[in-house]
Amino acid sequence: LAKTTQPISMDSYEGQEVNITCSHNNIATNDYITWYQQFPSQGPRFIIQGYKTKVTNEVASLFIPADRKSSTLSLPRVSLSDTAVYYCLVGDLYNTDKLIFGTGTRLQVFP
Amino acid sequence: NAGVTQTPKFRVLKTGQSMTLLCAQDMNHEYMYWYRQDPGMGLRLIHYSVGEGTTAKGEVPDGYNVSRLKKQNFLLGLESAAPSQTSVYFCASSYSPEGRNIQYFGAGTRLSVL
Repeated sequence: LAKTTQPISMDSYEGQEVNITCSHNNIATNDYITWYQQFPSQGPRFIIQGYKTKVTNEVASLFIPADRKSSTLSLPRVSLSDTAVYYCLVGDLYNTDKLIFGTGTRLQVFP
Repeated sequence: NAGVTQTPKFRVLKTGQSMTLLCAQDMNHEYMYWYRQDPGMGLRLIHYSVGEGTTAKGEVPDGYNVSRLKKQNFLLGLESAAPSQTSVYFCASSYSPEGRNIQYFGAGTRLSVL
């Protein structure tokens, strides 16, 4: 079971790029990396998922180095509405109960 | 366009009372989950289901029971509520792993046990 480590909190200003790194040193061959975003009083929402290299969608980019022992969620030009908690999950998609939500990274965006 | 719907949104119970939380999804997802989230904590998996008629225990199953009689519904029961079960409960559903197992969450049920 891949344990993940993320910073507890991060601060940024509107318009800046934010990079949140997740460490997962014992990631297994079949494990995928998935990021979720949670706003106060709401359920988490899927942001992005990847296995290796780089994945980009309309919301974010996910960078995964060759050794896959870490991953970085990149949010371009954040706004106040990006203030939320971001969770990194690592696990085998076929062992669904092993996808663990840690405490996440609380991102605060200031004007 | 409902997605995952949880009822009720709020509930206050007295210690020892029972209740059932209902989760309904209209996306024809195979997998469904119940999580709890305590202040400042991440989500912890209570029970989950990989298909109609099947359920399994997650990380913190004690004090809860579940049933998945219909594919679209996943019920979470508390037989004898305790103050330690005061929490926000989230239901989620996902495709099978062929669909990348992306979970879609409901808005949550805030439960207080006095």
